Amino acid sequence: DTAVSQTPKYLVTQMGNDKSIKCEQNLGHDTMYWYKQDSKKFLKIMFSYNNKELIINETVPNRFSPKSPDKAHLNLHINSLELGDSAVYFCASSQDRGTGQETQYFGPGTRLLVL
Amino acid sequence: GNSVTQMEGPVTLSEEAFLTINCTYTATGYPSLFWYVQYPGEGLQLLLKATKADDKGSNKGFEATYRKETTSFHLEKGSVQVSDSAVYFCARHGTALIFGKGTTLSVSS
Repeated sequence: DTAVSQTPKYLVTQMGNDKSIKCEQNLGHDTMYWYKQDSKKFLKIMFSYNNKELIINETVPNRFSPKSPDKAHLNLHINSLELGDSAVYFCASSQDRGTGQETQYFGPGTRLLVL
Repeated sequence: GNSVTQMEGPVTLSEEAFLTINCTYTATGYPSLFWYVQYPGEGLQLLLKATKADDKGSNKGFEATYRKETTSFHLEKGSVQVSDSAVYFCARHGTALIFGKGTTLSVSS
């Protein structure tokens, strides 16, 4: 069984569109994260939630809005997509309260291309 | 500040060569340290970790020792294989993981 899954795996869309990426974890973890990996492979935290509560909200345009309907799901909605949003977005989860001490388990990534 | 610096790649080696990828960190206190690996087209997987000074993490022939005197966590492997070709990320804990920029390793037979 897949521990952390993301859908879709690939997403190609036009500038200005609104899109969502979904993430689910079946590990029973309390904390989930969204990371962005740019074309140079640099990874940076965007958001994290602990038990549906937002605990990290880095400097990210407010076009990006995370939503956690329950602690096993963390979705990412992006409004008015821009060319610079093209990247690979990774979801992750961990057991701790987002302190980063515990191992984080990553999903396979969603490759977003904005044309 | 709080950051992670790892050597620039790409690193190109022949099979059975010795590998070192340097990683240093800045932080207040003694954060947990990690090496993650990303194989082509896949997500990140934990390779190894160390949670306190002088700890050695090891997995799949890779090792890294937490050195507080030099604030380092260098990754080593005595004999690399073609299947080790991947991007390696050093990371430290903060409110979330703080990653280095990644080092691409390419191993040829």
